[in-house]
Parts: sequence; structure tokens; C-alpha cells
Amino acid sequence: DIQVTQSPSSLSASVGDRVTITCRASQYISRYLNWFQQKPGKAPKLLIFAESNLEGGVPSRFSGSGSGTEFTLTIDSLQPEDFATYYCQQSHNPPYSFGQGTKLEIK
Amino acid sequence: QVQLVQSGVEVKRPGSSVKVSCKASGDTFSSSNYGITWVRQAPGHGLEWMGWIIIVFGTTSYAQKFQDRVAITADKSTSTSYLELSSLRSEDTAVYYCARARDSNGYGYYFDYWGQGTLVTVSS
Repeated sequence: DIQVTQSPSSLSASVGDRVTITCRASQYISRYLNWFQQKPGKAPKLLIFAESNLEGGVPSRFSGSGSGTEFTLTIDSLQPEDFATYYCQQSHNPPYSFGQGTKLEIK
Repeated sequence: QVQLVQSGVEVKRPGSSVKVSCKASGDTFSSSNYGITWVRQAPGHGLEWMGWIIIVFGTTSYAQKFQDRVAITADKSTSTSYLELSSLRSEDTAVYYCARARDSNGYGYYFDYWGQGTLVTVSS
């Protein structure tokens, strides 16, 4: 099974900051990597699919990049509504494992 | 607009089974581009992929952890998917989500629409 390791597990930042979250896969997964945002009590929301494709309606301050085993989610100019938990997920092979999550909190 | 609407809260005894439903609107159940996946989240924990079904073909795949006691089915006539989990234990207490799995045309499936979640509590 492919393991997906996310870092950091938590992050404090201020409105207007630029933040980066990293996801590392245990083997090469090409571009089979997606990112989700989850707010308390809500279902996850898809942000980015296939490493760097922005889902419709997602603000352009969100972006994704990668190198086959290491991937990053970048949020430029944090907005108040961006404080949430973020998950990466590999879609290369089942089981389609998720990272452990990164909780982004207001500093 | 695609919507996935799940069934309500369940309280179950250890050793019993639960069946959660997920009704979809739109063309999710008539296109080979889509599947339905199930993901759960225990209180205070992260997301855990359980399995999925490609509706048009009826093919399923499950996480090894649940292989012996999970079944995901789909009823095309009602556009509803079901997750059945048996031999319940307290560790199965979680919110269970269904999501539409969409073919990205080259880089696997991604989960673009989600149900609202169903809380299943297992307690004696």
C-alpha cells in the first residue's frame, strides 16, 4: 500500500501570509495527488486534483505542485476563511490513502 | 448541480451491522466516468478511505482493513449507493461520508462532491 505523509501536522499563520503544506508519498505516484480542505463539522472540499489542477470555484490563491513523490499545497495571501484542516490524498492505487492532515490556525 | 444526500444518524450495538445510504442527483449513476467512494472519520481523527464502486460496471474495491466486513453496493434504479459494515465495534464510531469519484482522464479518480456525512455510534 502507498503511504502518504503530510507535514506539518499543525501550522499557525496570519491573514495575508503565504503558507506551504507538504505531502510525501512512499513511492512514485506521478501526478496522482489531490488536496482537500475541511472545516469543523463539514464534509471535505476538493481544492486541487491531479497535483496542480484547481477545482472549479476554488480561489486562485490555492496552488499545487509536485515531483512524483513530494507535493506541496501553497496558499498565497491567507484569508480568514482559509483557516481549516487540509488533507492530501493519493489516487494512484487503492487503498486511496489520505495524509494525516494539517491544521492551519490563526496566529 | 450534483448533490449526495445521506441517511441519518445511527446508534448500534457492538456485533451488529449498519447500512448507510447515499442518494445522488445528476448523471452520477449513468456514466462510466464516475464511481461512489466511502470515507470515514473517527472523532478527532483524519480521513480514512474504505472502498468504492464503479457504478456502471458494478466493480468494487475495498481497503484491506475492512475487506471481511464491508460491502458497497449501488442501485441504479434509485441512484443510491449503500455502505454496509458488519461486526461493529466501538472503534467504528465515526462519521461516514460518501463522495462522487470522478475520472480525471489520466491521473486517477478524484472525489469532487461529498455527502453531508452520517454519524454512526457503536455503543453497548
